[in-house]
Amino acid sequence: ETGVTQTPRHLVMGMTNKKSLKCEQHLGHNAMYWYKQSAKKPLELMFVYSLEERVENNSVPSRFSPECPNSSHLFLHLHTLQPEDSALYLCASSQGLAGLDEQFFGPGTRLTVL
Amino acid sequence: AQRVTQPEKLLSVFKGAPVELKCNYSYSGSPELFWYVQYSRQRLQLLLRHISRESIKGFTADLNKGETSFHLKKPFAQEEDSAMYYCALSGNAGGTSYGKLTFGQGTILTVHP
Repeated sequence: ETGVTQTPRHLVMGMTNKKSLKCEQHLGHNAMYWYKQSAKKPLELMFVYSLEERVENNSVPSRFSPECPNSSHLFLHLHTLQPEDSALYLCASSQGLAGLDEQFFGPGTRLTVL
Repeated sequence: AQRVTQPEKLLSVFKGAPVELKCNYSYSGSPELFWYVQYSRQRLQLLLRHISRESIKGFTADLNKGETSFHLKKPFAQEEDSAMYYCALSGNAGGTSYGKLTFGQGTILTVHP
């Protein structure tokens, strides 16, 4: 598979569950991102990693916990979520963190919290 | 703070008509601006960036710093242009050392036959 892949594509979970979203990029990029896309809001940046180091935590609640074990993989661990966390979660990667670097997006994980 | 505003959530035109998707931004520094597009059942992808000054799929966008705008234009719309379009700004506001990408709310363009 080329580009940026995300699994699972759909996830339904209860508020007490613990689940993880996975993102993998096959582009040799050094930076990876998590975005949240809600129905009535713009795409919101959640986390940024560069060379496995977190460089941005955009005021995201602690019930979202990112992990970047290497430059190709990014996880988003979820626990005790709220129904308002239901959204499309997009992963992206870029060559570096420069402002001009194009971001390549995955297909997203559609999360529903019951 | 950096902010991007796309005033039109929906835009409908007929094939062959000109189309303009509006984007205004708020940023204290010198911004880098982009248009991203998401076609039906496809992932979000870069359409063009202002610094390239290029035309992609017939689309152009000019950065107007006086009006803080970066409108996307195409003289003759095609049905395959129907998609969701996002304007995005990259800046290093807030003391960050990298380009943080801020997206507008998006405009759904529908081109009717």
